[in-house]
Amino acid sequence: DIQMTQSPSTLSASVGDRVTITCRASQGVSTWLAWYQQKPGKAPNLLIYKASGLESGVPSRFSGSGSGTEFTLTISSLQPDDFATYYCQQYNSYPWTFGQGTKVEIK
Amino acid sequence: QVHLQESGPGLVQPSQTLSLTCTISGGSISSGGYYWSWIRQRPGKGLEWIGYILHSGSTYYRPSLKSRLTMSAHTSKTQFSLNLSSVTAADTAFYFCARGGYYRQFDYWGQGTLVTVSS
Repeated sequence: DIQMTQSPSTLSASVGDRVTITCRASQGVSTWLAWYQQKPGKAPNLLIYKASGLESGVPSRFSGSGSGTEFTLTISSLQPDDFATYYCQQYNSYPWTFGQGTKVEIK
Repeated sequence: QVHLQESGPGLVQPSQTLSLTCTISGGSISSGGYYWSWIRQRPGKGLEWIGYILHSGSTYYRPSLKSRLTMSAHTSKTQFSLNLSSVTAADTAFYFCARGGYYRQFDYWGQGTLVTVSS
C-alpha cells in the first residue's frame, strides 16, 4: 500500500495567516492526489482534485500543488470557517489511501 | 445535486455480518464513470477506503478486507450495499458511502453512520 504522510499533524494558526500542509507519498502517485476538509461530526468535503484542481464552490484561498511524491495544500488567508482537519488521498494505485490528517487549530 | 444516505443497524454483534445500504438521490449507479465507494473512519481516527462498485457491477475491494467483504448494487440502481462478515471490535467505525470520479475523487458523501461491534 502507498503510505501518505502529512505534516504537521497539528497546526496552530490565527485568522489571516497563510497556512501550508504537506503530504508525502511513499511511492510516486503522479498528480492523482485529492485534499479534503472535515469538520467534527461531518463527512469530508472535497477541496482539491488532481493535485491542483479547485473543486467547484471551494473558495479560491485554497490551492494545491505538487506531483510525484510531494504535495502541498495552501490556505492563503485563514478564515474562521477553515479550522478543521485536512486529509490528502492518493488515487493512483490500489488500495486508495489517505493521510493521517492535519488538524488546524485556533492559535 | 446528488445526495447519498447510509442506512443500517447501528449495533452488530461480534462474528456477525455488518450490512449497510447507501441510497442515492439526484442520480443513479447507471450513470457510468463513477466509483460508488464505501469509506470508514474509526472514532477519532483517519479515513480508510473500503472498496467500490461500478455501474457494470464490477467491484474492487481493499485487499485486507477482501475475504470478508461483499458489495452489490440493487436492481433499482439507486442503492448499493456493503456486507462485511465476521466483524470484530476493530470494525467499529463511522461508515460513509461516497461517489468517486475518475478525476474528481469523492465529490459527494453521505453523512455517515456509526456502527458499533459489541455484544
